[in-house]
Amino acid sequence: EPEVTQTPSHQVTQMGQEVILRCVPISNHLYFYWYRQILGQKVEFLVSFYNNEISEKSEIFDDQFSVERPDGSNFTLKIRSTKLEDSAMYFCASSEREGYGYTFGSGTRLTVV
Amino acid sequence: AQSVTQPDIHITVSEGASLELRCNYSYGATPYLFWYVQSPGQGLQLLLKYFSGDTLVQGIKGFEAEFKRSQSSFNLRKPSVHWSDAAEYFCAVEIEANNLFFGTGTRLTVIP
Repeated sequence: EPEVTQTPSHQVTQMGQEVILRCVPISNHLYFYWYRQILGQKVEFLVSFYNNEISEKSEIFDDQFSVERPDGSNFTLKIRSTKLEDSAMYFCASSEREGYGYTFGSGTRLTVV
Repeated sequence: AQSVTQPDIHITVSEGASLELRCNYSYGATPYLFWYVQSPGQGLQLLLKYFSGDTLVQGIKGFEAEFKRSQSSFNLRKPSVHWSDAAEYFCAVEIEANNLFFGTGTRLTVIP
């Protein structure tokens, strides 16, 4: 069964450093998403991406965050200057079309120290 | 305000017993509805989804869910729980903004 692949599975970074979280969505999917889950809290929407541009973003997705699809396969989330409160599990997801259900990756656990 | 409510934070059931996990949503129209399961350290796996039509939907691993418009509910059920079902379960809704809103989750513990 096709999978969404995320790397790395766990990343530790110092506060103020930049991090890039990587995702390889399912190849024929057109919609891409990032979600995050702070420990013990619910999964929160960050951003959706379609046709090489952001289609929706939440209040969490401020200027410190950016997304990119640098080639035909990867979808990245960059946090420019990490803060302690950015520590969370970050999930990438992709969807074939709207309202079709998302396939999530297994997540990247980001720890900011 | 739009919301997804899972009133049960933690449920414990005996193996072989039936299970029902509750989910209520608050939206003006009927959204697309989903149930996801998250095993420890794992990603989110789609159990089932409802878009339209038959209000009782079947999913993977023997799960089913029933959409009740009058109650704005989409409860997840399984007639006989297995120890491997122990996990966190999330109800989610998708509206026209093309993103998912998740409930806070229900942790299921299965005892022998």
